[in-house]
Amino acid sequence: AQKITQTQPGMFVQEKEAVTLDCTYDTSDPSYGLFWYKQPSSGEMIFLIYQGSYDQQNATEGRYSLNFQKARKSANLVISASQLGDSAMYFCAMREAQGGSEKLVFGKGTKLTVNP
Amino acid sequence: DAGVIQSPRHEVTEMGQEVTLRCKPISGHNSLFWYRQTMMRGLELLIYFNNNVPIDDSGMPEDRFSAKMPNASFSTLKIQPSEPRDSAVYFCASSLAGNVAAQHFGDGTRLSIL
Repeated sequence: AQKITQTQPGMFVQEKEAVTLDCTYDTSDPSYGLFWYKQPSSGEMIFLIYQGSYDQQNATEGRYSLNFQKARKSANLVISASQLGDSAMYFCAMREAQGGSEKLVFGKGTKLTVNP
Repeated sequence: DAGVIQSPRHEVTEMGQEVTLRCKPISGHNSLFWYRQTMMRGLELLIYFNNNVPIDDSGMPEDRFSAKMPNASFSTLKIQPSEPRDSAVYFCASSLAGNVAAQHFGDGTRLSIL
């Protein structure tokens, strides 16, 4: 079974609107971390936001917020007030704490296009 | 602050040749990761080091791939002999050790094996 599932291959949003990118995960480890990365067409991977499994509040970083629903095993990324520069691939990733591993497992990604 | 530095940015070579990819992690980071990204398989972890020691190399495809980290500021990923199916973007990332630390990626090396 896939550890990280991103069901939306592509998403479109109008500039200045909010968009939600879905991510569900599968783990039996009670301690884990969830990450979102952005990959623009230029190819670099940019860290956006982190959510720990024991964090009581949803993570926020500027226009990015993470809608963390632990019981549903989902960690959706919300981008508010979309900008043209937000057009990119977005990857959800998980790190399980079991055994002290630092390994990140990535989803297949969602391609976001922001329309003017 | 300098980020993760990878070289070369692009590499085109013929199959059978040796390829060496280089990475300089962020100063102070003690974990280093090598990833490969392809359309078919997405982003895959190949190997990671903690304090210059290889911790998990289960993602290394086969014996043609090897990685070293001789010191805290330098790592190499070597493919010998290279094959066309090795064509991919190879990323190096570094982080502070610990579960909450984010991994910071270099710009990647786009490798094409003809």
